[in-house]
Amino acid sequence: EDQVTQSPEALRLQEGESSSLNCSYTVSGLRGLFWYRQDPGKGPEFLFTLYSAGEEKEKERLKATLTKKESFLHITAPKPEDSATYLCAVPRLKYAGGGNKLTFGTGTQLKVEL
Amino acid sequence: EPEVTQTPSHQVTQMGQEVILRCVPISNHLYFYWYRQILGQKVEFLVSFYNNEISEKSEIFDDQFSVERPDGSNFTLKIRSTKLEDSAMYFCASSTGTGAVDTQYFGPGTRLTVL
Repeated sequence: EDQVTQSPEALRLQEGESSSLNCSYTVSGLRGLFWYRQDPGKGPEFLFTLYSAGEEKEKERLKATLTKKESFLHITAPKPEDSATYLCAVPRLKYAGGGNKLTFGTGTQLKVEL
Repeated sequence: EPEVTQTPSHQVTQMGQEVILRCVPISNHLYFYWYRQILGQKVEFLVSFYNNEISEKSEIFDDQFSVERPDGSNFTLKIRSTKLEDSAMYFCASSTGTGAVDTQYFGPGTRLTVL
């Protein structure tokens, strides 16, 4: 059974105070890892896909990295609008391409204050 | 930018009643999914659907649940006889099915409250 663990559960930052969120996983044969952002009462919003260890992706103040055991979401100089829950998820590859179940972590609830 | 839409945004029902949650996936996507999130818990996979068939389902997706693509645009989740524990946010997602691992795009969700 795939397992995804995220830490910390909650993180409070001052505006401009950089930090990292962690996602560790136990899967049989990682084929990719997804990061999503979720605002309260909303659906997960896609941020990044990472396919292999050593890969990095960036979008504005966010940078995602992947190793063989974990992924990090680095937030540089965050702003209040970055406040959200950040979810990571891994696919269980029953089929090539689509139709694959995602296993999500519980998320890190980020609050950025002025 | 194309997006997944869901209706209604909030559904309140009595225990034992049937509910149908509706989704319009992104138009060129071939794979469709339902997930749910009980308040304060993880997003959990329910079912995936391709070519008018279920391709995978979880233990949660028992005989009380069914999915259907009644026409070329809608994708529905039916719960036949709702229970209190079915109260949750239900998210529809869709993906293209191309590439080794494709990205699932989620809708805004339907909040189901069972009284």
